[in-house]
Amino acid sequence: QVQLVESGGGVVQPGRSLRLSCAASGFSFSSYAMHWVRQAPGKGLEWVAIISFDGTTKYADSMKGRFTISRDNSKNTLYLQMNNLRPEDTAVFYCARTLGIPDYFDYWGQGTLVTVSS
Amino acid sequence: EIVMTQSPATLSVSPGERATLSCRVSQSVNSNLAWYQHKPGQAPRLLIYGASTRATGIPIRFSGSGSGTEFTLTISSLQSEDFAVYYCQQYSNWPSFTFGQGTKLEIK
Repeated sequence: QVQLVESGGGVVQPGRSLRLSCAASGFSFSSYAMHWVRQAPGKGLEWVAIISFDGTTKYADSMKGRFTISRDNSKNTLYLQMNNLRPEDTAVFYCARTLGIPDYFDYWGQGTLVTVSS
Repeated sequence: EIVMTQSPATLSVSPGERATLSCRVSQSVNSNLAWYQHKPGQAPRLLIYGASTRATGIPIRFSGSGSGTEFTLTISSLQSEDFAVYYCQQYSNWPSFTFGQGTKLEIK
């Protein structure tokens, strides 16, 4: 069955960096576009970034320049490199997949919590 | 930029009753709208795509309707496991994947 398992979250000081990972299994990873979506405490879902099957990337305007999405199809793994983190980046980060672009998210991971605090 | 407005913010309904959730979009997205169920500590779950098509394994008590700018998610007879937060999401306007702010469905 389809599984997406995020890791790499934790507590980090403002201005520092963190890299999240999402291990995928149960489907042909290289055939899907992959996304990061986040949810700040008490808030709704916010799309962060997409990487298509061919490596094309797009970002939400508020994340552009600080976040980098990447993938390693040989390892069936999605990444999110987050630099210069701010307290307002505190959120649960989910990875999710879409078959097309644009499209709906048919599977999501359980999320990993990132807390930015001094 | 597309703005999505869900109403109400919170809906209190008794088990066995019907719940109707609304999603309004600031410009037409045709039928490119999905609904998700989200419970604390869990992965969001796709319920409806294409405005009205149930995802695999979703019970028939969940139904979606609408097109253009006005959409509705109806849960015909609420079960205890249905109490959660529900989000709508448009996938018409690329490269933005916009969510509504959510409707919390709580037990009355």
